[in-house]
Amino acid sequence: QQPVQSPQAVILREGEDAVINCSSSKALYSVHWYRQKHGEAPVFLMILLKGGEQKGHEKISASFNEKKQQSSLYLTASQLSYSGTYFCGTHGSGSARQLTFGSGTQLTVLP
Amino acid sequence: NAGVTQTPKFQVLKTGQSMTLQCAQDMNHEYMSWYRQDPGMGLRLIHYSVGAGITDQGEVPNGYNVSRSTTEDFPLRLLSAAPSQTSVYFCASSRPGQGSYEQYFGPGTRLTVT
Repeated sequence: QQPVQSPQAVILREGEDAVINCSSSKALYSVHWYRQKHGEAPVFLMILLKGGEQKGHEKISASFNEKKQQSSLYLTASQLSYSGTYFCGTHGSGSARQLTFGSGTQLTVLP
Repeated sequence: NAGVTQTPKFQVLKTGQSMTLQCAQDMNHEYMSWYRQDPGMGLRLIHYSVGAGITDQGEVPNGYNVSRSTTEDFPLRLLSAAPSQTSVYFCASSRPGQGSYEQYFGPGTRLTVT
């Protein structure tokens, strides 16, 4: 089942902060975050694993609440280059092979 | 390393035609997947493979076939194209593991069916 992302869209000024949320109705093993710019392929940002391990870019921070099956991506001091669509992908505890993506959050950073 | 490559980049088909979208990776990844992305929507899994000779259906498999004869290649076949298959198709690969490793995406194939 597809995870739910919120908000659907957000507009920021350079230097402002944003939080993007992702929630699932299933027990999760991991949550992935990707960013996609218009006309390009998604690019990996971060993986959060059950048990607390995180892998990803140093300048990106995120949290994973295993009990609530929720994850949040924190974008601080946003830059123009942060603009794009952010997708979370969830990997259920029971299924070993499939990543299910949310419908995305469109982030626009204005100068 | 070239990473994940996809051909063609653009394709226009007429309803009923068949074609194969090519995907190759040079990272020796066991896991490979095909996704489609429609405007304003996320990525939906079509088919995936966990190794050569092993494939399985994803969320939206109807109208598509796959095979995996080598670790490197994972072609997607459209059997009889329909306008509903107009979309952007992404191939992705990753190391094996229960969602523990990042997916590397190809540049995409933009398909229009008229």
